[in-house]
Order: sequence, then C-alpha cells, then structure tokens
Amino acid sequence: DTAVSQTPKYLVTQMGNDKSIKCEQNLGHDTMYWYKQDSKKFLKIMFSYNNKELIINETVPNRFSPKSPDKAHLNLHINSLELGDSAVYFCASSQWGRNTEAFFGQGTRLTVV
Amino acid sequence: GENVEQHPSTLSVQEGDSAVIKCTYSDSASNYFPWYKQELGKRPQLIIDIRSNVGEKKDQRIAVTLNKTAKHFSLHITETQPEDSAVYFCAAGLGGNKLTFGTGTQLKVEL
Repeated sequence: DTAVSQTPKYLVTQMGNDKSIKCEQNLGHDTMYWYKQDSKKFLKIMFSYNNKELIINETVPNRFSPKSPDKAHLNLHINSLELGDSAVYFCASSQWGRNTEAFFGQGTRLTVV
Repeated sequence: GENVEQHPSTLSVQEGDSAVIKCTYSDSASNYFPWYKQELGKRPQLIIDIRSNVGEKKDQRIAVTLNKTAKHFSLHITETQPEDSAVYFCAAGLGGNKLTFGTGTQLKVEL
C-alpha cells in the first residue's frame, strides 16, 4: 500500500565503495525525483525524471547516476563513495504540470565510514 | 533559478500559542507553494498548499497566506499542540515541478 517506497532504509558502507538505492511508486505519477537531506536538514533536489527522461540535473558529482527503467521506478547509483555523501536520500514522485503535492519515500540514511 | 528563504530556523512556543513561519521566494513565475512537515526520522509530508490565484487558505488550525506582490508566504498554526513539534519546510515551484525548498524551521511546542 506504500505510495513511494525506497530501499534500503539504512546503508552503511566504506569509502570508495559503489552502492545503489532503489525507488518505486504506485501512484501512477509520471515524474520522480531524488532529494538529498544533509545533517542540517536542508532538502536539495538532485535529479528529476519525467516519463523516464532526465529533466532536472542539478550540480551533482558525476559519481551519482540516476536510472529510470520505467516511470514507476527511479534508482540512484553512487560510485566511489565519499564521507561527504553521508546524508538521507529521499525519493519523491508527482504528476508533471499539475500543482499537486510531491509524495516522498521514507528515506535512505546513507553513512559512509 | 528559484531561491527560497525561510525564517525563523528554530521556534519555541508554549502549548496553545500560535506559531508563524515566513518564507520569501525570488522567481515571480512560481505559482505553487506547499508546506511540508517532517517529524523526526520520518519523511516530509504535505500539510497544506496554496496556489498563486489564492491569497489565503485555511485547514482547521493551519492557515497559509500568500502575497504575490511581495513574493512572500507564511504558515500560521493556531492552538499549538505537542504533536505539532517537527521541522516545517516551505517550498516554491512552477506547475508543481522542481520544488525549491526553504531551509526548514524546527518548531518545538512546550508544555
């Protein structure tokens, strides 16, 4: 029944490793996002896909690569993890072009040690 | 791009008092202004939103006002309760996409 679900919820990994976070939404939305929330609680958009097409790509290191196999899924792969990548990553979805809310997943707390 | 400023960063009120959080935005084209509440360890969830063709909206103890000319909008919570304690985010966007969030307000309602 969960509208936007992401896995894993917690991820602890060593510097230099590669990891992926998965996100799925069952709301029928056509747009999905990745947000990063740092320790100061700032919510910053990283990427947005509309119908599997990348439409927003903020200033994010190339080590971060999103992939959208279909409009219900948006995954985030991170290469060569760094200490500064530690944060909570939220997936969200909405319907493009409508002034309606974005629904967030429960977040993935990434800790790089 | 859009820039959203939010004040205050922390706010303590006594139970039953009112709380007001203010935001300003920079892009006059923005037409959608949601407010999200994030409880500790949880996801942000929408509590109220307002569109640019409306100046005020109310939902029980929560109200939002929008001044398009001045490019600012505010969240008002009346009769605060301990369960209102959370981080509140304002946001601004165009067509509901690419929301730019404010920096958040930690609201603490004290007994």
